[in-house]
Amino acid sequence: DGGITQSPKYLFRKEGQNVTLSCEQNLNHDAMYWYRQDPGQGLRLIYYSQIVNDFQKGDIAEGYSVSREKKESFPLTVTSAQKNPTAFYLCASSPWAPLAKNIQYFGAGTRLSVL
Amino acid sequence: GQQLNQSPQSMFIQEGEDVSMNCTSSSIFNTWLWYKQDPGEGPVLLIALYKAGELTSNGRLTAQFGITRKDSFLNISASIPSDVGIYFCAGQLGYGGATNKLIFGTGTLLAVQP
Repeated sequence: DGGITQSPKYLFRKEGQNVTLSCEQNLNHDAMYWYRQDPGQGLRLIYYSQIVNDFQKGDIAEGYSVSREKKESFPLTVTSAQKNPTAFYLCASSPWAPLAKNIQYFGAGTRLSVL
Repeated sequence: GQQLNQSPQSMFIQEGEDVSMNCTSSSIFNTWLWYKQDPGEGPVLLIALYKAGELTSNGRLTAQFGITRKDSFLNISASIPSDVGIYFCAGQLGYGGATNKLIFGTGTLLAVQP
């Protein structure tokens, strides 16, 4: 089955701890994205990557880090510098080419809570 | 970051009623997308629109790309309980580079009473 897999579904973070959220896709998409969703605020872009070994900050990158060592994988680390990490995190992927129609497909999300 | 103005914020309707929601922007978009999100899940694409004035249907759902390219509309006819969820619009400003990113609306929460 082609798709985007996020894990874990639920994650708990202790004070001062870094945690990493996994995102894997087998759609052969070049681009991958991380969004944060809070109630009533829609989706806000954290980071995105158009190609392996390259990524760009989105609108709310502070306190987060990413890597893109493989085309299929785009893990997100929520660092201790992120003071309000409780949210629903969504990973997406899409084709990325000049004049492309950027249809983003989403994973099922990870809900992060602070203990 | 930029977000689209989506309205209404929430709707509480009876099964069988029709539903309308819309998104507006001060920017011109080349693509409009409509997604639905069930509780605790990721958004699922419903309809994609690529040309000003385009009207596209997907079952009981119909969406339109506004003539000004600054707005889009989604209609759901004869609503059923499984239509419950949050509906998001998303617009793409252009092609290539940073303008290839999507801008998302704030969502419309739909509740359907049987």
